[in-house]
Amino acid sequence: AQSVSQHNHHVILSEAASLELGCNYSYGGTVNLFWYVQYPGQHLQLLLKYFSGDPLVKGIKGFEAEFIKSKFSFNLRKPSVQWSDTAEYFCAVSRGGSYIPTFGRGTSLIVHP
Amino acid sequence: NAGVTQTPKFQVLKTGQSMTLQCAQDMNHEYMSWYRQDPGMGLRLIHYSVGAGITDQGEVPNGYNVSRSTTEDFPLRLLSAAPSQTSVYFCASSPGRSIFMNTEAFFGQGTRLTVV
Repeated sequence: AQSVSQHNHHVILSEAASLELGCNYSYGGTVNLFWYVQYPGQHLQLLLKYFSGDPLVKGIKGFEAEFIKSKFSFNLRKPSVQWSDTAEYFCAVSRGGSYIPTFGRGTSLIVHP
Repeated sequence: NAGVTQTPKFQVLKTGQSMTLQCAQDMNHEYMSWYRQDPGMGLRLIHYSVGAGITDQGEVPNGYNVSRSTTEDFPLRLLSAAPSQTSVYFCASSPGRSIFMNTEAFFGQGTRLTVV
């Protein structure tokens, strides 16, 4: 069974700091990769996704992620965070051709103004 | 389009009671799934369906039943509620195999369930 690991469980940053959240998965075949965000009290929203092509993916709100196949990683980055980025971030992976993603445990990000 | 609609938003049950969490989507998606979200555990897949009449178990299916009689609806039944089922439940849908364009899963607003 595939698994998804998010290494940072809690991250605290000041505004304007740079962000990188790690995500690794265990499945060796073709994968679809996602980052979702959950703002306090809300449902999950898609930040960005990778299916194929350019391994550097740009999403909404200035987020980007890089797929490194050799490292089984899909790390999320943002050059300068804002207070409004305070949320929980989930990495998710589905096998190629499957649309039922497996989620990591999530990373709680707190940004101090 | 309303997207994925879950009802109710909040529910309190007594141990041993049964109930059904409703999920409906109006996007004609083939795939639907139920997740539970617990602190520090992320989202764990309970059951999923790849089309009307087809369901399968996910990672944590015990204590839950599902059925998929129509494309639009995918209810989740708690047979005999237990305190360990206190959680936030999310329903999701995605186009699945019938769509050639890759896309992501769309989530409902969630149901916060407390079992006392």
